[in-house]
Amino acid sequence: GAVVSQHPSRVICKSGTSVKIECRSLDFQATTMFWYRQFPKKSLMLMATSNEGSKATYEQGVEKDKFLINHASLTLSTLTVTSAHPEDSSFYICSAPTGTGTETQYFGPGTRLLVL
Amino acid sequence: DAKTTQPTSMDCAEGRAANLPCNHSTISGNEYVYWYRQIHSQGPQYIIHGLKNNETNEMASLIITEDRKSSTLILPHATLRDTAVYYCIAQEVNTGFQKLVFGTGTRLLVSP
Repeated sequence: GAVVSQHPSRVICKSGTSVKIECRSLDFQATTMFWYRQFPKKSLMLMATSNEGSKATYEQGVEKDKFLINHASLTLSTLTVTSAHPEDSSFYICSAPTGTGTETQYFGPGTRLLVL
Repeated sequence: DAKTTQPTSMDCAEGRAANLPCNHSTISGNEYVYWYRQIHSQGPQYIIHGLKNNETNEMASLIITEDRKSSTLILPHATLRDTAVYYCIAQEVNTGFQKLVFGTGTRLLVSP
């Protein structure tokens, strides 16, 4: 199947700093990518839809100024958590559909963020 | 997208078939049934999908009832590595890239 990578796999940062997470489609182009957040023992919650060359679409309740999304190329989307706080500590996962018409999505391995 | 209902958890003995049910009684005619699974601390993994016919691939089989109101994912010979949370999602296709809405899923525990 198609491969999606994320970097870093885990990050620890101090409260108030910003953290950038990268999501790459390695063997296909993705005009759309999705960003999810998952708290312990909970299901994945969609945060936003990342669109190549245009603004991201955020889900209700997700602050666009806090979670900055940039999709500058057909293989890379980035999520920046600005002024991170301990409550932002979570597992962040991206996904991308391959665009083959089946809508199957491939997920990255996730990034575990811990804000101290 | 139609709401799906799954049991919270299931157990299965290693080597036996694991049958995971999903109810999607409000599914519409152009919605597919997708199954994904998430092994602990990893991103979800696509398993299989179908519209109305039964489907089989190297990972699993998908049985969809004739009225399409429910389906069953079958792992024919479960292994310890199949321990994961399994998500059943009803999703419309061919209307642009659709976001996946995850429910709570079924936590499958495969034991020796």
